[in-house]
Amino acid sequence: NAGVTQTPKFRILKIGQSMTLQCTQDMNHNYMYWYRQDPGMGLKLIYYSVGAGITDKGEVPNGYNVSRSTTEDFPLRLELAAPSQTSVYFCASSYSRGNYGYTFGSGTRLTVV
Amino acid sequence: DAKTTQPNSMESNEEEPVHLPCNHSTISGTDYIHWYRQLPSQGPEYVIHGLTSNVNNRMASLAIAEDRKSSTLILHRATLRDAAVYYCILRDQGWGGSEKLVFGKGMKLTVNP
Repeated sequence: NAGVTQTPKFRILKIGQSMTLQCTQDMNHNYMYWYRQDPGMGLKLIYYSVGAGITDKGEVPNGYNVSRSTTEDFPLRLELAAPSQTSVYFCASSYSRGNYGYTFGSGTRLTVV
Repeated sequence: DAKTTQPNSMESNEEEPVHLPCNHSTISGTDYIHWYRQLPSQGPEYVIHGLTSNVNNRMASLAIAEDRKSSTLILHRATLRDAAVYYCILRDQGWGGSEKLVFGKGMKLTVNP
């Protein structure tokens, strides 16, 4: 199994550009999450989803949008990129039961210049 | 949501055991205790989880207090590769529903050669 796959691994955006960070999991997990991690800081929850068609805001949702049309995919959309969105973005997934762990992707390093 | 409290940092010596504490005084009866770690420049990875009984796996052991208000992650022989930020998280065991997974600041473990 591939687990949680994030693409791209690196990206440089200019201010005002838009892009979509892709996240795919092949474990049939119903819960999926997007986090950002600024240098030297902890993980901040952006958006999460408890199943296809259901999404909800996390701690820092402004400037981002998500959709969950399938169980496998949970893309994160950045509209009008700003320097403050320079960060490393992690996607994670899990089954809904507490006795299952979370699986994280390897991250997307985004720089907005 | 029940919260956890960890020291900001700890140091240990290579090949010695290290005990990483976590307090969760408001834990509910249905919360699992999960531990994750994040190596430098990587996404978080699952370490271990438990509900009431002590747990062992190839990576670590988890000791849970009888009243479940605290737990300790035990690395039996710390290696340089164990230097990471460790997160203690509570996760409800129930099916479905909204799950807003929020990470705390974690605890930075330094392993001295």
